[in-house]
Amino acid sequence: KQEVTQIPAALSVPEGENLVLNCSFTDSAIYNLQWFRQDPGKGLTSLLLIQSSQREQTSGRLNASLDKSSGRSTLYIAASQPGDSATYLCAVGRFSGAGSYQLTFGKGTKLSVIP
Amino acid sequence: SQTIHQWPATLVQPVGSPLSLECTVEGTSNPNLYWYRQAAGRGLQLLFYSVGIGQISSEVPQNLSASRPQDRQFILSSKKLLLSDSGFYLCACRLAGGADTQYFGPGTRLTVL
Repeated sequence: KQEVTQIPAALSVPEGENLVLNCSFTDSAIYNLQWFRQDPGKGLTSLLLIQSSQREQTSGRLNASLDKSSGRSTLYIAASQPGDSATYLCAVGRFSGAGSYQLTFGKGTKLSVIP
Repeated sequence: SQTIHQWPATLVQPVGSPLSLECTVEGTSNPNLYWYRQAAGRGLQLLFYSVGIGQISSEVPQNLSASRPQDRQFILSSKKLLLSDSGFYLCACRLAGGADTQYFGPGTRLTVL
């Protein structure tokens, strides 16, 4: 059974700092990996999607890396801003035996960026 | 582009009462649909998924059930709620023939008292 762990559970940084969020997974047989953002009381917004054959993806100040063999991914946020404050969720994707695409989520890292 | 609607946005129900949460999807056809629950201190837990009308797969045994009466409608139900059913319920969809990702609705906050 796939298990996804995110460390740290919470992180507080001053504005402008660069930061790294970590995600690890137990089964390396994944199809892809996604990072989501969740604001309090809201749904999830996809930030970056990395296919299993890829090593990294970038979008603006965000960069996600994937090392499938070691079961690890990192989300790098450059020059953090107060608007980046949210919970960041890592999810690994696979296809079930019935052919349905499914995601397994970590518990998230709650990020607070202090002005 | 697709839009996912969920209602109600919030719900407070007594233990033992029935439940019906609705999810509808616009802007796509034949999506895969999913129900997740997010409880305090726990990650998102996949409850049900559906690859088509009337086709429901359950991931976790519980007192909840799901139905898909129409292509873009997904309903989560319970006959008798438990305290442990409290949480944030999210509906998601994967587009047919689209990228292998899921899009999420705004969620329903359920409190069982």
